[in-house]
Amino acid sequence: DQQVKQNSPSLSVQEGRISILNCDYTNSMFDYFLWYKKYPAEGPTFLISISSIKDKNEDGRFTVFLNKSAKHLSLHIVPSQPGDSAVYFCAASAGGGADGLTFGKGTHLIIQP
Amino acid sequence: EPEVTQTPSHQVTQMGQEVILRCVPISNHLYFYWYRQILGQKVEFLVSFYNNEISEKSEIFDDQFSVERPDGSNFTLKIRSTKLEDSAMYFCASRPGLAGETDTQYFGPGTRLTVL
Repeated sequence: DQQVKQNSPSLSVQEGRISILNCDYTNSMFDYFLWYKKYPAEGPTFLISISSIKDKNEDGRFTVFLNKSAKHLSLHIVPSQPGDSAVYFCAASAGGGADGLTFGKGTHLIIQP
Repeated sequence: EPEVTQTPSHQVTQMGQEVILRCVPISNHLYFYWYRQILGQKVEFLVSFYNNEISEKSEIFDDQFSVERPDGSNFTLKIRSTKLEDSAMYFCASRPGLAGETDTQYFGPGTRLTVL
């Protein structure tokens, strides 16, 4: 039962261009969403989050968009840099309390020079 | 910048043995978590811990698993009798949990557990 889906296992983008990573969810109880970046043999590193009361959150080169009606969120990275090459995980929680995160399977982003 | 730390980075054990994985969450965080990632699969939630007791646990977290906060800084995950399928990366995470603070969970670097 995949409550959080990242349908693209990999994505290749040229340096300087925009990278768009997508995530869909099925559980309408989710109200807090996060994006993590992960390198091999390291822990997930928090990038950016968004609460369900917002539809956009921006932090430097990273912007997350949330479309609640479509149960869809996306992460935009612009401009893409070689150091952005990593696996990106979308995660969601029902918020408040101590809810564990539900992760997607990840998208491997490759930034080509 | 404060970070979550985990020890050891790699643990090798024989099937049936007990292992204890250790974590030091970010100080003044109130919520603590364990996750695992089997090779090639997604990160999976195991358990959350708040106010010295388990708040939530997944189906994976069966009687073979236990968690403890033995002192004011450490948070441990014990697997009583390891199985081959317990081989995975285990990640600890913590979250502030205070009113007005972010709901973001911050992860440690992980412990790679190999069960032979």
